[in-house]
Amino acid sequence: EDQVTQSPEALRLQEGESSSLNCSYTVSGLRGLFWYRQDPGKGPEFLFTLYSAGEEKEKERLKATLTKKESFLHITAPKPEDSATYLCAVQDTNAGNNRKLIWGLGTSLAVNP
Amino acid sequence: DTEVTQTPKHLVMGMTNKKSLKCEQHMGHRAMYWYKQKAKKPPELMFVYSYEKLSINESVPSRFSPECPNSSLLNLHLHALQPEDSALYLCASSLQQGNNSPLHFGNGTRLTVT
Repeated sequence: EDQVTQSPEALRLQEGESSSLNCSYTVSGLRGLFWYRQDPGKGPEFLFTLYSAGEEKEKERLKATLTKKESFLHITAPKPEDSATYLCAVQDTNAGNNRKLIWGLGTSLAVNP
Repeated sequence: DTEVTQTPKHLVMGMTNKKSLKCEQHMGHRAMYWYKQKAKKPPELMFVYSYEKLSINESVPSRFSPECPNSSLLNLHLHALQPEDSALYLCASSLQQGNNSPLHFGNGTRLTVT
């Protein structure tokens, strides 16, 4: 069965303290892995799509990487405005699933000044 | 600000009321989605429209009725809801359904059923 697991559930960092969030997945075939950021009371904001193992993408202080079993979201020198819930979702190649997204439960990140 | 606009931002309704949620996008996307999100949970898919036709209904109760009047608009009609239907209702769009194009979400309607 397709599954997405994110860890840790919650993370508290000091400003400038770099860290990584993990998204491990089990799918029959990976069509794409998506990272989103969600602020309280807002809709998820798209960050990255990763398609194949070895791929990396960067945006400001964020860098997403992908292996055959997991993805990492690296946060370098975070600032308080990086505080949010980070959601990971995967899309299976199995057309029988209508290619809908399978979501993890998210990592709640708090960055203290 | 997002490129997917949802109205209203907040809605309080009684269990006998009829109300509608509205969503609009002008990105030329041909797939539009309704999601429901409860606190500290990921979004849960309800409906998908592809090229203005209903593509997916995730066994949603009939008290929720979607409508796609044109390629830019998506509505969700609500009738006889229950208190457990209180949640954040998110609209999203993507270039096409299921082809790896990312979802772009609106900021949602916070629905409270009393």
